[in-house]
Amino acid sequence: AQSVTQLDSHVSVSEGTPVLLRCNYSSSYSPSLFWYVQHPNKGLQLLLKYTSAATLVKGINGFEAEFKKSETSFHLTKPSAHMSDAAEYFCVVIGIYNQGGKLIFGQGTELSVKP
Amino acid sequence: DTEVTQTPKHLVMGMTNKKSLKCEQHMGHRAMYWYKQKAKKPPELMFVYSYEKLSINESVPSRFSPECPNSSLLNLHLHALQPEDSALYLCASSQGDRASGANVLTFGAGSRLTVL
Repeated sequence: AQSVTQLDSHVSVSEGTPVLLRCNYSSSYSPSLFWYVQHPNKGLQLLLKYTSAATLVKGINGFEAEFKKSETSFHLTKPSAHMSDAAEYFCVVIGIYNQGGKLIFGQGTELSVKP
Repeated sequence: DTEVTQTPKHLVMGMTNKKSLKCEQHMGHRAMYWYKQKAKKPPELMFVYSYEKLSINESVPSRFSPECPNSSLLNLHLHALQPEDSALYLCASSQGDRASGANVLTFGAGSRLTVL
């Protein structure tokens, strides 16, 4: 079965410093991976997706993620945090077989940005 | 129009009430989804409609009753809910009926439900 593990439940950074949100995946096949962001009391917004094309994926708002098959990782990074980046971030893999077509969510990482 | 619109944004209801949540999209998407999200947790899939037919029911209690009147609208009828049903209910839509790298879900802002 496909799964993702977000390694940190909470990350705190200062404004202007780099952001690293970690995600490891488990998959028997080449996965489709996503990062979604959820601001307080809002829906989920797609940040970026990996679908077996380029391993370095650029998303919205300056975020990017690198797919590393050897490390089964798909970490999300941003060079310089902004106050508006404070939110919950979900790493997501597409389920296959008996999970077919479903989004499999990680437990989420809450990002706090200090002034 | 690239949005999924959910109404109402907030709903408070008693355990004996009947209410409905509504979801609308005009992107021509043929699949629509209901998710339930508790605080500090990821969303949990409840129902999937594909081409206006119910394709997935994740063993949701019958006090939740989905309805898809047409390809743009999705309702969730609520009756005899319990306090533990209080949550954020998210609607989503996608081009096809199975999520994939090419078939990305677009989410609405959610309806926050409180059951007293």
